[in-house]
Amino acid sequence: KQEVTQIPAALSVPEGENLVLNCSFTDSAIYNLQWFRQDPGKGLTSLLLIQSSQREQTSGRLNASLDKSSGRSTLYIAASQPGDSATYLCAALGETSGSRLTFGEGTQLTVNP
Amino acid sequence: NAGVTQTPKFQVLKTGQSMTLQCAQDMNHEYMSWYRQDPGMGLRLIHYSVGAGITDQGEVPNGYNVSRSTTEDFPLRLLSAAPSQTSVYFCASSYTGPPLFRSPLHFGNGTRLTVT
Repeated sequence: KQEVTQIPAALSVPEGENLVLNCSFTDSAIYNLQWFRQDPGKGLTSLLLIQSSQREQTSGRLNASLDKSSGRSTLYIAASQPGDSATYLCAALGETSGSRLTFGEGTQLTVNP
Repeated sequence: NAGVTQTPKFQVLKTGQSMTLQCAQDMNHEYMSWYRQDPGMGLRLIHYSVGAGITDQGEVPNGYNVSRSTTEDFPLRLLSAAPSQTSVYFCASSYTGPPLFRSPLHFGNGTRLTVT
């Protein structure tokens, strides 16, 4: 059974810092991995979707990488801003998990002005 | 373009009552799904649909029913509410669904349900 872990659960950084959020998954046989952002009281917003054949995806100040062999994905945020404060979740779609995305519990990021 | 719209935003039920959570999307997505989000449990799939007239169970389907009569709507029915169903419920849709999910998931803003 696929398990997805995000460490740390919470992270506080000063504005302007470059930071990395981590996502680990136990089953390396995945189709893709998505990164989402969730603001308090809101739904999830998809940030980046990496297919298993890709190593990374970029959108603006965000860059997500995927290393299937080590079971890891990272989300890199450059020049962090207070508006980046949110909970970031990753979700893996495994080849053995049928139609189910397996979500991590997220990293709560606070960027201090 | 409204995206995924969920109603109501908040609901309080007594044990044993029934209700329907509404979900509509205007993106012509074939795949729609319902999740519940609980502290320490993450997001768990309740039911999903790959097109009108087709539904299937997810990870935690007991106590819930769904139907998909149109591409746009995917209501979730609680048959007899229990305190264990207190949660935040999210509807999500995607242009493509299983098995490969080549398109990102779009989420609604959720319904916060409390069962007393």
